[in-house]
Amino acid sequence: SQKIEQNSEALNIQEGKTATLTCNYTNYSPAYLQWYRQDPGRGPVFLLLIRENEKEKRKERLKVTFDTTLKQSLFHITASQPADSATYLCALDSFSGGYNKLIFGAGTRLAVHP
Amino acid sequence: EPEVTQTPSHQVTQMGQEVILRCVPISNHLYFYWYRQILGQKVEFLVSFYNNEISEKSEIFDDQFSVERPDGSNFTLKIRSTKLEDSAMYFCAGKNGQRSTDTQYFGPGTRLTVL
Repeated sequence: SQKIEQNSEALNIQEGKTATLTCNYTNYSPAYLQWYRQDPGRGPVFLLLIRENEKEKRKERLKVTFDTTLKQSLFHITASQPADSATYLCALDSFSGGYNKLIFGAGTRLAVHP
Repeated sequence: EPEVTQTPSHQVTQMGQEVILRCVPISNHLYFYWYRQILGQKVEFLVSFYNNEISEKSEIFDDQFSVERPDGSNFTLKIRSTKLEDSAMYFCAGKNGQRSTDTQYFGPGTRLTVL
Protein backbone atom coordinates (compact mmCIF):
# COMPACT_ATOMS: atom_id res chain seq x y z
CA SER A 1 0.00 0.00 0.00
CA GLN A 2 1.02 3.63 -0.40
CA LYS A 3 3.33 4.84 2.32
CA ILE A 4 4.59 8.30 3.24
CA GLU A 5 7.43 8.93 5.62
CA GLN A 6 8.42 12.24 7.09
CA ASN A 7 11.70 11.32 8.59
CA SER A 8 12.01 14.00 11.26
CA GLU A 9 9.49 13.90 14.04
CA ALA A 10 10.76 17.26 15.32
CA LEU A 11 13.10 19.94 14.07
CA ASN A 12 14.48 22.80 16.16
CA ILE A 13 16.14 25.76 14.46
CA GLN A 14 17.18 29.32 15.22
CA GLU A 15 15.21 32.25 13.90
CA GLY A 16 16.53 33.43 10.54
CA LYS A 17 17.84 30.02 9.49
CA THR A 18 16.39 27.83 6.75
CA ALA A 19 14.29 24.89 7.84
CA THR A 20 14.36 21.85 5.55
CA LEU A 21 11.77 19.09 5.96
CA THR A 22 11.78 15.79 4.09
CA CYS A 23 8.98 13.62 2.74
CA ASN A 24 9.59 10.21 1.18
CA TYR A 25 7.00 7.94 -0.36
CA THR A 26 6.84 4.35 -1.56
CA ASN A 27 4.54 2.11 -3.60
CA TYR A 28 3.11 5.06 -5.45
CA SER A 29 3.77 7.39 -8.35
CA PRO A 30 1.81 10.50 -7.50
CA ALA A 31 1.11 13.16 -10.07
CA TYR A 32 1.01 15.73 -7.28
CA LEU A 33 2.34 16.21 -3.81
CA GLN A 34 1.04 18.72 -1.29
CA TRP A 35 2.27 20.35 1.88
CA TYR A 36 0.01 21.47 4.71
CA ARG A 37 0.57 23.30 7.97
CA GLN A 38 -1.19 22.18 11.15
CA ASP A 39 -1.27 24.16 14.37
CA PRO A 40 -2.12 22.39 17.66
CA GLY A 41 -5.82 21.53 17.89
CA ARG A 42 -6.52 22.89 14.40
CA GLY A 43 -7.19 21.48 10.95
CA PRO A 44 -4.54 21.25 8.22
CA VAL A 45 -4.07 24.38 6.12
CA PHE A 46 -2.94 24.02 2.50
CA LEU A 47 0.41 25.62 1.66
CA LEU A 48 1.75 24.37 -1.67
CA LEU A 49 1.12 21.79 -4.37
CA ILE A 50 3.82 20.58 -6.73
CA ARG A 51 3.26 18.53 -9.88
CA GLU A 52 5.44 15.62 -10.96
CA ASN A 53 6.78 17.60 -13.93
CA GLU A 54 7.79 20.53 -11.71
CA LYS A 55 11.18 20.33 -10.05
CA GLU A 56 10.58 23.27 -7.75
CA LYS A 57 7.76 25.53 -6.57
CA ARG A 58 8.02 28.73 -4.54
CA LYS A 59 5.62 30.84 -2.54
CA GLU A 60 7.07 33.75 -0.57
CA ARG A 61 9.54 32.19 1.92
CA LEU A 62 8.46 28.63 1.08
CA LYS A 63 10.08 26.36 -1.48
CA VAL A 64 9.17 22.80 -2.37
CA THR A 65 11.11 20.38 -4.55
CA PHE A 66 9.88 17.11 -6.00
CA ASP A 67 12.23 14.35 -7.13
CA THR A 68 10.20 11.50 -8.65
CA THR A 69 13.34 9.38 -9.12
CA LEU A 70 14.23 9.53 -5.43
CA LYS A 71 10.50 9.53 -4.52
CA GLN A 72 11.15 12.49 -2.29
CA SER A 73 9.99 16.03 -1.66
CA LEU A 74 11.86 18.67 0.31
CA PHE A 75 10.09 21.59 1.96
CA HIS A 76 12.15 24.68 2.82
CA ILE A 77 11.25 27.71 4.91
CA THR A 78 13.83 30.46 4.47
CA ALA A 79 14.43 33.24 7.00
CA SER A 80 12.37 31.28 9.52
CA GLN A 81 10.38 33.07 12.21
CA PRO A 82 8.92 31.88 15.53
CA ALA A 83 5.47 32.20 13.88
CA ASP A 84 6.50 29.38 11.52
CA SER A 85 6.49 26.97 14.47
CA ALA A 86 3.89 24.30 13.64
CA THR A 87 3.59 20.76 12.34
CA TYR A 88 4.08 20.42 8.60
CA LEU A 89 2.35 17.59 6.78
CA CYS A 90 3.19 16.06 3.45
CA ALA A 91 0.21 14.62 1.57
CA LEU A 92 -0.28 12.57 -1.56
CA ASP A 93 -3.42 12.67 -3.61
CA SER A 94 -4.84 9.20 -4.07
CA PHE A 95 -7.32 8.91 -6.89
CA SER A 96 -8.62 5.38 -6.78
CA GLY A 97 -12.05 5.76 -8.25
CA GLY A 98 -13.11 8.02 -5.46
CA TYR A 99 -12.60 11.73 -5.31
CA ASN A 100 -9.00 12.40 -4.50
CA LYS A 101 -8.62 11.46 -0.88
CA LEU A 102 -5.44 12.70 0.72
CA ILE A 103 -2.93 10.37 2.33
CA PHE A 104 -0.92 12.22 4.95
CA GLY A 105 2.48 11.66 6.46
CA ALA A 106 2.86 11.79 10.23
CA GLY A 107 4.23 15.33 10.05
CA THR A 108 7.33 17.13 11.24
CA ARG A 109 6.99 19.43 14.24
CA LEU A 110 9.05 22.55 13.59
CA ALA A 111 10.10 24.83 16.45
CA VAL A 112 11.78 28.12 15.54
CA HIS A 113 13.57 29.69 18.50
CA PRO A 114 14.25 33.43 18.81
CA GLU B 1 -12.48 34.61 3.18
CA PRO B 2 -15.04 31.78 3.47
CA GLU B 3 -14.24 29.05 5.98
CA VAL B 4 -15.37 25.55 6.82
CA THR B 5 -17.02 25.50 10.25
CA GLN B 6 -17.55 22.52 12.55
CA THR B 7 -19.66 22.05 15.64
CA PRO B 8 -19.24 21.25 18.41
CA SER B 9 -15.59 22.02 18.98
CA HIS B 10 -15.47 19.39 21.71
CA GLN B 11 -17.87 16.52 22.35
CA VAL B 12 -17.68 14.24 25.35
CA THR B 13 -19.81 11.11 25.28
CA GLN B 14 -20.21 7.78 27.01
CA MET B 15 -19.23 4.59 25.24
CA GLY B 16 -22.17 3.16 23.30
CA GLN B 17 -23.85 6.53 22.76
CA GLU B 18 -24.59 8.04 19.37
CA VAL B 19 -22.87 11.25 18.32
CA ILE B 20 -23.42 13.54 15.37
CA LEU B 21 -20.63 15.81 14.25
CA ARG B 22 -21.65 18.74 12.11
CA CYS B 23 -19.87 20.65 9.38
CA VAL B 24 -20.86 23.61 7.23
CA PRO B 25 -18.68 23.50 4.11
CA ILE B 26 -17.81 26.48 1.94
CA SER B 27 -20.88 27.25 -0.16
CA ASN B 28 -19.51 26.51 -3.65
CA HIS B 29 -17.87 23.24 -2.66
CA LEU B 30 -19.18 20.02 -4.18
CA TYR B 31 -16.85 17.32 -2.85
CA PHE B 32 -16.78 16.60 0.86
CA TYR B 33 -14.62 14.53 3.15
CA TRP B 34 -14.25 13.42 6.73
CA TYR B 35 -10.83 12.68 8.17
CA ARG B 36 -9.84 11.80 11.70
CA GLN B 37 -6.66 12.19 13.73
CA ILE B 38 -6.08 10.15 16.85
CA LEU B 39 -3.88 12.05 19.30
CA GLY B 40 -0.26 11.92 18.17
CA GLN B 41 -1.05 10.04 14.96
CA LYS B 42 -1.55 10.79 11.27
CA VAL B 43 -4.55 12.45 9.72
CA GLU B 44 -6.52 9.52 8.21
CA PHE B 45 -9.14 9.51 5.49
CA LEU B 46 -12.57 8.24 6.51
CA VAL B 47 -14.99 8.96 3.68
CA SER B 48 -15.59 11.08 0.60
CA PHE B 49 -19.03 12.28 -0.49
CA TYR B 50 -20.31 13.72 -3.75
CA ASN B 51 -23.72 14.25 -5.25
CA ASN B 52 -25.38 12.92 -2.09
CA GLU B 53 -23.53 9.63 -2.23
CA ILE B 54 -20.48 8.13 -0.63
CA SER B 55 -17.81 7.91 -3.31
CA GLU B 56 -15.17 6.14 -1.26
CA LYS B 57 -14.71 4.97 2.32
CA SER B 58 -11.81 3.57 4.29
CA GLU B 59 -11.81 0.38 6.32
CA ILE B 60 -12.22 2.56 9.43
CA PHE B 61 -15.63 3.67 8.15
CA ASP B 62 -17.61 0.62 9.20
CA ASP B 63 -21.34 0.15 9.74
CA GLN B 64 -21.23 2.32 12.85
CA PHE B 65 -20.48 5.38 10.74
CA SER B 66 -22.76 7.25 8.36
CA VAL B 67 -22.71 10.57 6.58
CA GLU B 68 -25.37 12.75 5.08
CA ARG B 69 -26.01 16.20 3.71
CA PRO B 70 -29.66 16.59 4.65
CA ASP B 71 -30.34 20.19 3.68
CA GLY B 72 -27.72 21.12 1.12
CA SER B 73 -25.62 23.02 3.63
CA ASN B 74 -24.79 20.89 6.67
CA PHE B 75 -22.62 17.80 6.22
CA THR B 76 -22.81 15.40 9.15
CA LEU B 77 -20.91 12.40 10.43
CA LYS B 78 -22.82 10.08 12.72
CA ILE B 79 -21.29 7.40 14.90
CA ARG B 80 -24.09 5.11 16.11
CA SER B 81 -22.48 3.41 19.05
CA THR B 82 -19.22 5.03 20.07
CA LYS B 83 -16.22 3.05 21.22
CA LEU B 84 -13.26 4.22 23.27
CA GLU B 85 -11.07 4.01 20.17
CA ASP B 86 -13.28 6.53 18.36
CA SER B 87 -11.74 9.25 20.53
CA ALA B 88 -9.98 11.55 18.05
CA MET B 89 -10.14 14.88 16.25
CA TYR B 90 -12.55 14.71 13.33
CA PHE B 91 -11.99 17.07 10.43
CA CYS B 92 -14.42 17.93 7.69
CA ALA B 93 -12.97 19.06 4.35
CA GLY B 94 -14.34 20.18 1.03
CA LYS B 95 -13.35 21.30 -2.41
CA ASN B 96 -15.07 22.70 -5.45
CA GLY B 97 -13.54 20.57 -8.20
CA GLN B 98 -12.61 16.98 -8.93
CA ARG B 99 -9.09 17.68 -10.12
CA SER B 100 -6.18 16.64 -7.97
CA THR B 101 -4.98 20.24 -8.06
CA ASP B 102 -8.15 21.51 -6.42
CA THR B 103 -7.33 22.36 -2.82
CA GLN B 104 -9.12 20.67 0.03
CA TYR B 105 -10.13 23.15 2.72
CA PHE B 106 -10.31 21.76 6.22
CA GLY B 107 -12.45 22.79 9.15
CA PRO B 108 -11.06 23.41 12.65
CA GLY B 109 -12.13 19.97 13.81
CA THR B 110 -14.29 18.44 16.53
CA ARG B 111 -12.49 16.76 19.39
CA LEU B 112 -14.47 13.65 20.32
CA THR B 113 -13.78 12.10 23.71
CA VAL B 114 -15.42 8.75 24.44
CA LEU B 115 -15.44 7.74 28.12
